Amino acid sequence: QSVLSQPPSASGTPGQRVIISCSGSSSNIGTSYLYWYQHLPGTAPKLLIYANNQRPSGVPDRFSGFKSGTSASLAISGLRSEDECDYYCAAWDKGLGGWVFGGGTKLTVL
Amino acid sequence: QVQLQESGPGLVTPSQTLSLTCTVSGDSVSTGTYYWTWIRQPARKGLEWIGRIYTSGTTYYSPSLRSRATISIDNSKNEVSLRLTSVTAADTAVYYCAREVWGQLGNWFDPWGQGTLVTVSS
Repeated sequence: QSVLSQPPSASGTPGQRVIISCSGSSSNIGTSYLYWYQHLPGTAPKLLIYANNQRPSGVPDRFSGFKSGTSASLAISGLRSEDECDYYCAAWDKGLGGWVFGGGTKLTVL
Repeated sequence: QVQLQESGPGLVTPSQTLSLTCTVSGDSVSTGTYYWTWIRQPARKGLEWIGRIYTSGTTYYSPSLRSRATISIDNSKNEVSLRLTSVTAADTAVYYCAREVWGQLGNWFDPWGQGTLVTVSS
């Protein structure tokens, strides 16, 4: 059971907007920056969003992050087939003294 | 371009010690404001942080693995290593190493290695 909660799956059609949620608690999301990683199984996970809503260079502006209280979300607009992979949220947990992750959301582009 | 590559035995016998190496290219494990981190992912489960080591050698571990995990740096080989003792089937997972970047807007993992699958079985 992951400390951060994500829906196990999400889906959308090309061009659609999809939102993936991530919920936690006051000891992690509530008091820490939230990060999103994109992972195609068999490859290296990739940083997608840092500090709640910042995009690293090279990440398209179709990806955006939001955080409010102890919850966060990742929005993907203009969905494309290459977006089909797994998405993980992560935060530092002050109570545990370590990083915690969501269980991952598998995005399917229909 | 910084690249990380995990390596080690793909099969470990229960109760034995799992030993993995992360070879870093394009950066030095002994300089910079970075942590070098190990993360794992059991099959059909989420990611789990194992621990990290600072360039100075200071280590931090997940409370659940602290008693069994050891992370070390070999400056001469530019490698970061993970040892996990007394393994069981629950330690079967894909193991990733990652560079944890220390920034003004928090820390983040970038880049990651591709991961290596370790199976614990007799």
